Amino acid sequence: DGGITQSPKYLFRKEGQNVTLSCEQNLNHDAMYWYRQDPGQGLRLIYYSQIVNDFQKGDIAEGYSVSREKKESFPLTVTSAQKNPTAFYLCASTSSGTATDTQYFGPGTRLTVL
Amino acid sequence: AQSVTQPDIHITVSEGASLELRCNYSYGATPYLFWYVQSPGQGLQLLLKYFSGDTLVQGIKGFEAEFKRSQSSFNLRKPSVHWSDAAEYFCAVGGFQKLVFGTGTRLLVSP
Repeated sequence: DGGITQSPKYLFRKEGQNVTLSCEQNLNHDAMYWYRQDPGQGLRLIYYSQIVNDFQKGDIAEGYSVSREKKESFPLTVTSAQKNPTAFYLCASTSSGTATDTQYFGPGTRLTVL
Repeated sequence: AQSVTQPDIHITVSEGASLELRCNYSYGATPYLFWYVQSPGQGLQLLLKYFSGDTLVQGIKGFEAEFKRSQSSFNLRKPSVHWSDAAEYFCAVGGFQKLVFGTGTRLLVSP
């Protein structure tokens, strides 16, 4: 079955550590996205990428970094510069990255900073 | 810039009753509008979308939504709610290269 996988499902981090969240898709989609979800705030866009080796900052990119070396993979690194990283992180993809595309979401990773 | 407002944080509906979730958007051009549903601890799933044409759109699981340009609204409806509909619902507007989501409405279904 085609879809998006995110790992791990739960992640715990000590303050001051960088962590990397995995996102893989086998839908052959060009565009991929990372969102952060906090209670009562909906989804906020962190980074997005429309093609390999290119990505753009979203609304809340500070303290995060990404790479897009392969079409199917878009890992997100939460750095120690992110002041409040505890949240639910969602990865999504679309076929071409246009406004009319349906976004397909992974199951999410819940990150907790201890 | 585009924005989406979902004025209801929580809504409780009795099983079998009708449902309407409100969504208001702000966007300068023709909006592309979406409704997504999220079960607890899961990703989002598309319910329906509107780009143009008939202002009443049908989606999965018996949901429909009506686009009203004069009111800048895209409300989601279902004539008879099932207990399995309990979830969080997000309205979104599509702009250049990205979606903007509302803050969501949590639907609770009472027996």
